[in-house]
Amino acid sequence: KAGVTQTPRYLIKTRGQQVTLSCSPISGHRSVSWYQQTPGQGLQFLFEYFSETQRNKGNFPGRFSGRQFSNSRSEMNVSTLELGDSALYLCASSLGSGSFQGQETQYFGPGTRLLVL
Amino acid sequence: AQSVTQPDIHITVSEGASLELRCNYSYGATPYLFWYVQSPGQGLQLLLKYFSGDTLVQGIKGFEAEFKRSQSSFNLRKPSVHWSDAAEYFCAVGAKQAGTALIFGKGTTLSVSS
Repeated sequence: KAGVTQTPRYLIKTRGQQVTLSCSPISGHRSVSWYQQTPGQGLQFLFEYFSETQRNKGNFPGRFSGRQFSNSRSEMNVSTLELGDSALYLCASSLGSGSFQGQETQYFGPGTRLLVL
Repeated sequence: AQSVTQPDIHITVSEGASLELRCNYSYGATPYLFWYVQSPGQGLQLLLKYFSGDTLVQGIKGFEAEFKRSQSSFNLRKPSVHWSDAAEYFCAVGAKQAGTALIFGKGTTLSVSS
């Protein structure tokens, strides 16, 4: 089975621009979560989507948004980029059961490294 | 609020020596516990997980971890480290209130010396 794929792998943007990152989960997985990884803050949860609905959200400003499509693929968008948005953005997928998810094993993609200049 | 602490930022171990990486969590009930490894430029790979039952959990690549409720710990161990084990290791907690969200520790970087 193919793993979680993320595109693009690397991205350079300038302040004020917006960016869209894409994530394709493992086939059959219905839950997709996004994490931001920075040297200072470590790994932080952004949001989770299940069946095209945002089910859980971390403590990030509204500039960070996402969506999920009917085939479970997900995109996240960051508008009005700031220097501090430079990070590795990781996507993780899990089977999803519609109930408590914290016990599910999440499988991570290789990430998209975003550099904001 | 739930939290995860990995007290050691960086550890250096000689190849062939044993390894123990520490992880302490803060959570009111029994959490779901995970260890992930991240090699440079890569995503996270699951090493092992604890949900319930036997408190000694075996994982991939010869790693094991032991859940100790009394100490709120979930330390990762390996009896003999290989140079390819050099990477960053993350302990994480999954909690019911957090939905799918995993709460990660800050990570421990492992260097292996020859």
